[in-house]
Amino acid sequence: DAKTTQPNSMESNEEEPVHLPCNHSTISGTDYIHWYRQLPSQGPEYVIHGLTSNVNNRMASLAIAEDRKSSTLILHRATLRDAAVYYCILRGYGNKLVFGAGTILRVKS
Amino acid sequence: DVKVTQSSRYLVKRTGEKVFLECVQDMDHENMFWYRQDPGLGLRLIYFSYDVKMKEKGDIPEGYSVSREKKERFSLILESASTNQTSMYLCASSLSGRYLGAQTNGYTFGSGTRLTVV
Repeated sequence: DAKTTQPNSMESNEEEPVHLPCNHSTISGTDYIHWYRQLPSQGPEYVIHGLTSNVNNRMASLAIAEDRKSSTLILHRATLRDAAVYYCILRGYGNKLVFGAGTILRVKS
Repeated sequence: DVKVTQSSRYLVKRTGEKVFLECVQDMDHENMFWYRQDPGLGLRLIYFSYDVKMKEKGDIPEGYSVSREKKERFSLILESASTNQTSMYLCASSLSGRYLGAQTNGYTFGSGTRLTVV
């Protein structure tokens, strides 16, 4: 599986946008970019995924660089409930989810 | 709204005991997975199943076995529990992973079972 690189931790103020970066320079043409998050004392939950185009859903937006070597998960207005570990994962055909260390997001009130 | 249910939230077992961790999903998903999560090591895949009575080893299967007799239920078995199996165990399910489009299928996780082996 191609690897991703994320910052260990980030901090944000409540009600402000948060941009969580992910580098994946060895991504292959068929790899999808997935984001999951894990709230304290819970299992991971799916956030969003994309291939080439930017994607939006009710939870977040995913911005994918034109060369696909990096992507950014955007939380438009962070709340205290968004404090979690965020995982950026590449999935190729038939591949299972392989979790890295992720980014710990802290949200200050 | 709960879709993946793990039978126990907390479990304490003695060394050498046979331990069963149960997971049930109500989404008619073909794939089911067992992970364990440890500080500093992240989530690691133990076993997974693409169909009833099918199982495949993940990255760390040693000391574990699984059973999938029905589509909705996937059991993780610790044949003889040891202290190094103290961990958070997470079950997940997803739609079929073998066929085209599988990369887009999200996983749904349970809330986890925190197992302590003493």
